[in-house]
Amino acid sequence: EVQLVESGGGLVQPGRSLRLSCAASGFTFDDYAMHWVRQAPGKGLEWVSGISWNSGSIGYADSVKGRFTISRDNAKNSLDLQMNSLRAEDTALYYCAKDMSFAVTTGVFNYWGQGTLVTVSS
Amino acid sequence: EIVLTQSPGTLSLSPGERATLSCRASQSVSSSSLAWYQQKPGQAPRLLIYGASSRATGIPDRFSGSGSGTDFTLTISRLEPEDFAVYYCQQYGSSPPYTFGQGTKLEIK
Repeated sequence: EVQLVESGGGLVQPGRSLRLSCAASGFTFDDYAMHWVRQAPGKGLEWVSGISWNSGSIGYADSVKGRFTISRDNAKNSLDLQMNSLRAEDTALYYCAKDMSFAVTTGVFNYWGQGTLVTVSS
Repeated sequence: EIVLTQSPGTLSLSPGERATLSCRASQSVSSSSLAWYQQKPGQAPRLLIYGASSRATGIPDRFSGSGSGTDFTLTISRLEPEDFAVYYCQQYGSSPPYTFGQGTKLEIK
């Protein structure tokens, strides 16, 4: 059974940093691209960042480019999101999501974690 | 960036009825790279449809997707009580960013 468990969320002041993690199990982690998708309270979904199976290809939404860094450790089956210079508008539930296709980054998310909440407020 | 506009914002129907949800793109979505997700309150989204018309694993056949270019549709043939939720379309045809529509809330009439 595929499981994605996010951690690292919390309350943080504007301008500070936070690091999110996603622990993956139930599939061959290093065969699939991974993504972060967020959802502000009461709002829709926004793709944040994605990383290919071998970290060779990385993408970011314009809203986080230059502030967030995605990374993965295939030996530990883990995905991270380093978030710097946080803003109030970064407040959201952050989901870790698995890409659907083997060894190819499609941008289709067939498994999701339950999310970790990030609140940016003074 | 491709902008997706979903309509209607809210759809009120009764169990057993047919639901038709629309998703329109600001420019053509390449290779029909359009997906649909269902989200229930307090839950993560669930993939329903990809490639505009292919059902994801385990999705009942009452869910179907159609369309190409800039106009896409999700149809639920006979609504079950568990189908009332928010539905999002998403395009993944161009290189990132992958974008979502704003969602359609399907509520019980």
